Amino acid sequence: GENVEQHPSTLSVQEGDSAVIKCTYSDSASNYFPWYKQELGKRPQLIIDIRSNVGEKKDQRIAVTLNKTAKHFSLHITETQPEDSAVYFCAASIMDSSYKLIFGSGTRLLVRP
Amino acid sequence: DTGVSQDPRHKITKRGQNVTFRCDPISEHNRLYWYRQTLGQGPEFLTYFQNEAQLEKSRLLSDRFSAERPKGSFSTLEIQRTEQGDSAMYLCASSPLGTGVDYGYTFGSGTRLTVV
Repeated sequence: GENVEQHPSTLSVQEGDSAVIKCTYSDSASNYFPWYKQELGKRPQLIIDIRSNVGEKKDQRIAVTLNKTAKHFSLHITETQPEDSAVYFCAASIMDSSYKLIFGSGTRLLVRP
Repeated sequence: DTGVSQDPRHKITKRGQNVTFRCDPISEHNRLYWYRQTLGQGPEFLTYFQNEAQLEKSRLLSDRFSAERPKGSFSTLEIQRTEQGDSAMYLCASSPLGTGVDYGYTFGSGTRLTVV
């Protein structure tokens, strides 16, 4: 079955710097890759997603890139702000199937003021 | 209907007791999922419904666990003879069916189970 690995497990950056989180997946059939942000005690919230027919997607300060050949995808956050501090999860799924999400183990991002 | 609702938010139970959680998805969402999240980990898939049909169950879902979605609306997750290892956050999510633009899940706030 699908396995998703996520690195790093913790990331500390200075406010204004960029943050990059990387994930790899094992099942080449996976074709949908969302990223979730989870603040302490709250539900995971979708922040951006990408499908396998697209190599890059951007939404303001957040971007995601996908390399299907290497089976990895990354989240890029530019101009980080203290409110970006949270745990970020990547996930992989097969659209038009069960669409269950297989999550990475998470990255705790700390943005220092 | 502003989102996915889960009840209760917190549940403390003694080992060996049975517990039941409820999830009310977004009304127009045909798909409903249950996930389990332990501290410091990502959510793990448990089971999935399309309307009232339970179409997939994870190996994590032992025979002490049962889930239902009798009318294709709300769902319940029951854990029988709870064990300390069942302590976790149980998350419900729903998503629309079809090949529309929006594939994103909407998660509920979860039910935090503590088995003592």
